[in-house]
Amino acid sequence: QKEVEQDPGPLSVPEGAIVSLNCTYSNSAFQYFMWYRQYSRKGPELLMYTYSSGNKEDGRFTAQVDKSSKYISLFIRDSQPSDSATYLCAMSLTQGGSEKLVFGKGMKLTVNP
Amino acid sequence: NAGVTQTPKFRILKIGQSMTLQCAQDMNHNYMYWYRQDPGMGLKLIYYSVGAGITDKGEVPNGYNVSRSTTEDFPLRLELAAPSQTSVYFCASSGGQVLTNEKLFFGSGTQLSVL
Repeated sequence: QKEVEQDPGPLSVPEGAIVSLNCTYSNSAFQYFMWYRQYSRKGPELLMYTYSSGNKEDGRFTAQVDKSSKYISLFIRDSQPSDSATYLCAMSLTQGGSEKLVFGKGMKLTVNP
Repeated sequence: NAGVTQTPKFRILKIGQSMTLQCAQDMNHNYMYWYRQDPGMGLKLIYYSVGAGITDKGEVPNGYNVSRSTTEDFPLRLELAAPSQTSVYFCASSGGQVLTNEKLFFGSGTQLSVL
């Protein structure tokens, strides 16, 4: 079982739709959970992060973590064409005194006008 | 604000050739990283550095070398290019560990093809 699983999609939705992106993980030692957004031919940029189980909101974006189920989600409300990008989940833990950061494969999202 | 700058943006190599991918950051970050991104495979860590003079292997270091003589620069060297090294390479930097709430900044990437 891979440490971090993410459905690579692609996902295509109409403008205004609610989008749900998900990742599961197998290692309960992960402590810090992130979502990165990557536009075509660009590097990833941090979108949201959280330490704890529960929800965290930032504008149209909500990050949700369920540590008991080892499941994280990113919800996008009122999706816009500018949200079209690849979304990568990432999570980190401390291993042998160093940090280990693991990325999901990324889900390509297209929001159609 | 330049952030993390990678050069070149694109490169085609022949099998067996060598090259250096350049990475520079102007944020005075101690931590720097090299990742490769293959289609549908996510980001894999090649090498990282926690400060000048200190480097360590990541998940997929074979076929690569790095050096960190200054805080600003972290070049990645391919000695004998192989088709398996065809990928998009990203350099990143941070002020510290992500676990301590430091943000990871990525460059725009170098698209490398080995033919």
